[in-house]
Amino acid sequence: AQTVTQSQPEMSVQEAETVTLSCTYDTSESDYYLFWYKQPPSRQMILVIRQEAYKQQNATENRFSVNFQKAAKSFSLKISDSQLGDAAMYFCAYSSPNNDMRFGAGTRLTVKP
Amino acid sequence: DAGVIQSPRHEVTEMGQEVTLRCKPISGHNSLFWYRQTMMRGLELLIYFNNNVPIDDSGMPEDRFSAKMPNASFSTLKIQPSEPRDSAVYFCASSPDVGGTTDTQYFGPGTRLTVL
Repeated sequence: AQTVTQSQPEMSVQEAETVTLSCTYDTSESDYYLFWYKQPPSRQMILVIRQEAYKQQNATENRFSVNFQKAAKSFSLKISDSQLGDAAMYFCAYSSPNNDMRFGAGTRLTVKP
Repeated sequence: DAGVIQSPRHEVTEMGQEVTLRCKPISGHNSLFWYRQTMMRGLELLIYFNNNVPIDDSGMPEDRFSAKMPNASFSTLKIQPSEPRDSAVYFCASSPDVGGTTDTQYFGPGTRLTVL
């Protein structure tokens, strides 16, 4: 069974606008880590943002922020002021306390000029 | 569908030994990816295949690493000789690669490798 679900295979956003990528996960653990990775056409994975489940405050990295809803097991990524360079595949990932990692299938983001 | 299958799930070996990791992609998928996950470097793409042909192996760390895809349903990642710094979780992913563009990837459960 898929532990991490990204329900949007593709998303599109206008340059300078804001877009939100969805991710839900399933776990019985109370402490874990969540990640968003970006995979540009070069195919190398880039860590965008990381969230520790015990922290209530949503993680933020410049234009990237998350909406972490622990009770709902939801971890969405918001990209503000979208840029052409943000176009990529985005993968949501979950890591258990013993570093057992699971990935979503990805969302392909297109940025329109 | 069983999803991407990787074996073994855990491997503990001694430095200098040969290690072979195996991956069975989802049936019908045209692309296969090998990744390595470490705390220090995060998730790194090692190599990917399209239609059984290696497309980009620039992420392979050194000559000790080699990967093959003899047919559409099987791939191996071999490390010979292994070193302690190779300890990591190795993920395999497959993609339907519809239209030849970057498409969704389905990850396997990973192989946790420990080299003593």
